[in-house]
Amino acid sequence: SQQGEEDPQALSIQEGENATMNCSYKTSINNLQWYRQNSGRGLVHLILIRSNEREKHSGRLRVTLDTSKKSSSLLITASRAADTASYFCATDRGTSYGKLTFGQGTILTVHP
Amino acid sequence: NAGVTQTPKFQVLKTGQSMTLQCAQDMNHNSMYWYRQDPGMGLRLIYYSASEGTTDKGEVPNGYNVSRLNKREFSLRLESAAPSQTSVYFCASRGPVDIQYFGAGTRLSVL
Repeated sequence: SQQGEEDPQALSIQEGENATMNCSYKTSINNLQWYRQNSGRGLVHLILIRSNEREKHSGRLRVTLDTSKKSSSLLITASRAADTASYFCATDRGTSYGKLTFGQGTILTVHP
Repeated sequence: NAGVTQTPKFQVLKTGQSMTLQCAQDMNHNSMYWYRQDPGMGLRLIYYSASEGTTDKGEVPNGYNVSRLNKREFSLRLESAAPSQTSVYFCASRGPVDIQYFGAGTRLSVL
């Protein structure tokens, strides 16, 4: 079963706008990660936030984590056409060997 | 820096045929994983290997077998392919700060 549920399933915005994607999960976690997948390619790690952290930044990315609500959000500021991709959250429950459970993803389209 | 390399990139099989998907990583990682990705389903874990010589089932292991040949290589075998195994398969390895590194994928069609 999928641990993460992502919202929205698809998001279409104009270049320069901000994009926000949300992820909810069901069980306690050790960390939550966000990955990006360009069409026809493998996944690329974007950012990791641990269960004792509330917010992290990396360039134009901002991730928040609310463990009481079991939810996370990924904000991409000043979006570019090159940000067009699918974005996945993945939870690590801290059990055996770093297994990740992925959400179904958000498809982001940024129009030039 | 090759990272995680998967072969082949594309494959078409007939129902009942067998094949092995190959994966190799050059980052000296201990843990490796096989996932499948179906439309609208995200990635689901098939098998994983914590270290050379050990393998464990993931969420959807039925119809698959794996071999951790050495620290670098982790292969996935379909003994008798079925149309339900049509999917995109990804191999990944885990680095020291819990991040996973993915290969480019194998697109498999079973007719």
